[in-house]
Amino acid sequence: KQEVTQIPAALSVPEGENLVLNCSFTDSAIYNLQWFRQDPGKGLTSLLLIQSSQREQTSGRLNASLDKSSGRSTLYIAASQPGDSATYLCAVKFNQAGTALIFGKGTTLSVSS
Amino acid sequence: DAGVTQSPTHLIKTRGQQVTLRCSPKSGHDTVSWYQQALGQGPQFIFQYYEEEERQRGNFPDRFSGHQFPNYSSELNVNALLLGDSALYLCASSFGGQAFFGPGTRLTVL
Repeated sequence: KQEVTQIPAALSVPEGENLVLNCSFTDSAIYNLQWFRQDPGKGLTSLLLIQSSQREQTSGRLNASLDKSSGRSTLYIAASQPGDSATYLCAVKFNQAGTALIFGKGTTLSVSS
Repeated sequence: DAGVTQSPTHLIKTRGQQVTLRCSPKSGHDTVSWYQQALGQGPQFIFQYYEEEERQRGNFPDRFSGHQFPNYSSELNVNALLLGDSALYLCASSFGGQAFFGPGTRLTVL
């Protein structure tokens, strides 16, 4: 069964700190991996998409890496700001799961000023 | 481009009733997926529509059904509502493997 796990479930940091969010998945045969941001009670905003053949993607202060062999991805946020406070979700499209995205439960980030 | 839109924003129903949620995909996207997100959980895949056909279905009962129209918009129907159906229902459209989500419909079943 394909599963996605995100650790930690919650994280609190002071403004300006660099931080790493972790995502692990049970099957290395993936099509792609996507990181999303979700504000309370809102929909999902796509942050970064990493295709199976890629090792990392960058957008502004965000950098996502992918290591299929170990079943891990990390989302690095540089110089965190209070506006980064949200829940970050990792979603994997497994080859054996068709077109469905399999989500982790997310990491809730709180950045204090 | 308005992005993915969903209606209504919020909905309150009682047990046993039926509900219809609506979704319009991003311009140029022909594939629509529906997800259910319970409080504190990640979204769970319900089903996906492509070319007006259900292409894939997740582990949800037959009470959950859908439809896609020729303009690619989609509906999610849930019959015989249960308290456990209370959740945020998210619609996503996709292109090139990347999914874009709408703001969701918050369904409360009393």
